[in-house]
Amino acid sequence: SQKIEQNSEALNIQEGKTATLTCNYTNYSPAYLQWYRQDPGRGPVFLLLIRENEKEKRKERLKVTFDTTLKQSLFHITASQPADSATYLCALDDAGGSYIPTFGRGTSLIVHP
Amino acid sequence: DTAVSQTPKYLVTQMGNDKSIKCEQNLGHDTMYWYKQDSKKFLKIMFSYNNKELIINETVPNRFSPKSPDKAHLNLHINSLELGDSAVYFCASSPPGTSLGEQFFGPGTRLTVL
Repeated sequence: SQKIEQNSEALNIQEGKTATLTCNYTNYSPAYLQWYRQDPGRGPVFLLLIRENEKEKRKERLKVTFDTTLKQSLFHITASQPADSATYLCALDDAGGSYIPTFGRGTSLIVHP
Repeated sequence: DTAVSQTPKYLVTQMGNDKSIKCEQNLGHDTMYWYKQDSKKFLKIMFSYNNKELIINETVPNRFSPKSPDKAHLNLHINSLELGDSAVYFCASSPPGTSLGEQFFGPGTRLTVL
């Protein structure tokens, strides 16, 4: 069966460090993978999209890697700040033509001052 | 300016009632969606509409009926509400074309069925 796995345990890090979140998937052949941020009581906000033929994408302090052999994406936040504390969701499509993303459960990131 | 808006923000109702949630987007997007996020935080697609036409209907009870009067609006009507319908419902839209799928979400409607 298809699965998208994100660490269900919260990631606690100190301000200034790099946060690394993992998204693993099985039985998908995605055309792309997306990362979203969700704050409590709010809807997810799109952050980055990486296509299957791209290895890495950057946006300001964010970096995403995509390894289709390992079936894994890593999401990095450098120089983390307490304001980065949120739940981060990965989402991918099933390359079935609909391009509608399926979401993982998300990982909570807590950045301590 | 709010890009994707939903009303109401909170909805508390009794089992068996019928309720509606409204959604509007001012982004000019052709495709709109309804998602359900349960207590375990899984975000699951329910419906997808493209230019007022239903294109995706996941395994959702037919008590749930989306209605799209125009491409800027996608409302969700729920009949005979059940306890298990309690969740947060998100409306979303995405830009024209099928190559990206970037989703713009509304603020969510927290539905509590008593």
